Amino acid sequence: GDSVTQMEGPVTLSEEAFLTINCTYTATGYPSLFWYVQYPGEGLQLLLKATKADDKGSNKGFEATYRKETTSFHLEKGSVQVSDSAVYFCALSEDNNAGNMLTFGGGTRLMVKP
Amino acid sequence: NAGVMQNPRHLVRRRGQEARLRCSPMKGHSHVYWYRQLPEEGLKFMVYLQKENIIDESGMPKERFSAEFPKEGPSILRIQQVVRGDSAAYFCASSPNPFYEQYFGPGTRLTVT
Repeated sequence: GDSVTQMEGPVTLSEEAFLTINCTYTATGYPSLFWYVQYPGEGLQLLLKATKADDKGSNKGFEATYRKETTSFHLEKGSVQVSDSAVYFCALSEDNNAGNMLTFGGGTRLMVKP
Repeated sequence: NAGVMQNPRHLVRRRGQEARLRCSPMKGHSHVYWYRQLPEEGLKFMVYLQKENIIDESGMPKERFSAEFPKEGPSILRIQQVVRGDSAAYFCASSPNPFYEQYFGPGTRLTVT
């Protein structure tokens, strides 16, 4: 079955540091890939997505590139802020659409210190 | 346009009681998904419903769990005879069709004592 593996946290960074959160996936078809963010006590918010190989999703300074050859979708940000502290989830959806069930990774907690 | 609403936000039940979790999708959304998040873990798919139909319940335990999405009113996730292992955050998501992104509610945190 489908699966998503992401680096374990917590990841602790100082403000303005460079962020990378690794995500790799296993899927039988051609999935769409997503990054969701969960702030404390809240639900998940879609951060960015990519629907086909070599697509780059970007939002709020975050970006991730769909790499089919390495089955990866690593999240990056050039300069993190304290307000970026949250849990980040990598996810996939089969059938190359955004609507069917999502398969999530275990989440990576990011803590940014001033 | 209000977002996905879930209630209650927090629910405490004793072992053996029933838990009812409600989800009101965004206006115009007729597709609802339920996910469970165990402590320190990612979300796991439970069930996918359209109005009055269960489309995919492959992630839902066969015993004690049921879900519905009636023609009128919210979607309900029902857990009978709760056990401590049911303690988790339950998230609902909705979309206007299966080819569109899912919007998540704030979740219901169930604690079984």
